[in-house]
Amino acid sequence: AQSVTQLGSHVSVSEGALVLLRCNYSSSVPPYLFWYVQYPNQGLQLLLKYTSAATLVKGINGFEAEFKKSETSFHLTKPSAHMSDAAEYFCAVSEGGNQFYFGTGTSLTVIP
Amino acid sequence: GAVVSQHPSRVICKSGTSVKIECRSLDFQATTMFWYRQFPKQSLMLMATSNEGSKATYEQGVEKDKFLINHASLTLSTLTVTSAHPEDSSFYICSASTGVELAFFGQGTRLTVV
Repeated sequence: AQSVTQLGSHVSVSEGALVLLRCNYSSSVPPYLFWYVQYPNQGLQLLLKYTSAATLVKGINGFEAEFKKSETSFHLTKPSAHMSDAAEYFCAVSEGGNQFYFGTGTSLTVIP
Repeated sequence: GAVVSQHPSRVICKSGTSVKIECRSLDFQATTMFWYRQFPKQSLMLMATSNEGSKATYEQGVEKDKFLINHASLTLSTLTVTSAHPEDSSFYICSASTGVELAFFGQGTRLTVV
């Protein structure tokens, strides 16, 4: 069975500060891992994905995530938050990249 | 990347009526499509998986007679919410996959039942 846990349903950071959104997963097989961003009343936009290649994955908008098998984690980071980063972020796991299991989401607020 | 289009993006309907939501893969053939539902301020929950030409597989707790899924072609799946009620108001998102590569998500449909 696969599942995702996102620690912290709400995260607030100051503009220019480090963004860290946490994601832990469980999977019985080597997983594919994803981070999606959702802006209000919009669909999902893929930020980045891990599919068993490099453990440090770089995505769009300056985000990156590191796959740590020993910690079963896939935390999302960005060195410097921008106001436009305020959104809902979802971590997801998938066995083969088809059926996804999502975390409960983390709402990111950026304080000017 | 591959494009998945959902239509409509927003729909408001009266209680008791039925609403059809379309999910199209525009530049690839989707052997498998998935339908998700997202309640306000919550995560996405898988409702059902459909394979072209066969009956959809519904997740536990999802009423198959209420949420009719048809995947009649390799580029189109439809979700029909029958006899909609206000509690069906939600954000519905589809994803499509070739079965080999990653699934791609549509932009979602905001359903409001009044």
